[in-house]
Amino acid sequence: DGGITQSPKYLFRKEGQNVTLSCEQNLNHDAMYWYRQDPGQGLRLIYYSQIVNDFQKGDIAEGYSVSREKKESFPLTVTSAQKNPTAFYLCASSIRGSDLREQYFGPGTRLTVT
Amino acid sequence: GQQLNQSPQSMFIQEGEDVSMNCTSSSIFNTWLWYKQDPGEGPVLLIALYKAGELTSNGRLTAQFGITRKDSFLNISASIPSDVGIYFCAGQRAGGTSYGKLTFGQGTILTVHP
Repeated sequence: DGGITQSPKYLFRKEGQNVTLSCEQNLNHDAMYWYRQDPGQGLRLIYYSQIVNDFQKGDIAEGYSVSREKKESFPLTVTSAQKNPTAFYLCASSIRGSDLREQYFGPGTRLTVT
Repeated sequence: GQQLNQSPQSMFIQEGEDVSMNCTSSSIFNTWLWYKQDPGEGPVLLIALYKAGELTSNGRLTAQFGITRKDSFLNISASIPSDVGIYFCAGQRAGGTSYGKLTFGQGTILTVHP
């Protein structure tokens, strides 16, 4: 089955530690995205990548970093510089360079930092 | 980043009733998408709209791309308990710098009483 996987589903970390969230897709999509969701709010874009070895900052990139070494993978690192890291993190992917602008989401990772 | 204005924020309805929700923006969009999110899960794409005035159905769901390109509507007919969840609108703004990026509404929380 084609889709997007995120692991783990739940993640707990101590304040001051960096943590990396995994996102893998087998949809053969070129573009991948990371969003943050806080209770009662919509999705806010952290980083996105339209092609391997290239990525762009979204609206709330401070305190986060990404890499895109493979088409299938787009890991997100939440660094200790992120002031409010506890949130629900969603990864998405889409076809690049076409009229189809639909993004498909993974199941999400809930990160709790104490 | 700009957020779309989605309303209502929440709805409490009886099973069998019809539901309407909408998103508006001060900017012109060239794509409108509607997603449903169950608690603790990633959003699932319901309907995609690409042309002003376009009306598209998916089962009991119907969505429209506003003529002004600044709004979109989602209707659910004859609601059932499994319609419960959060509904998000998302749009891609017209213009080169917005390519591949979606802007999300804050969501409409739907509760259906049996």
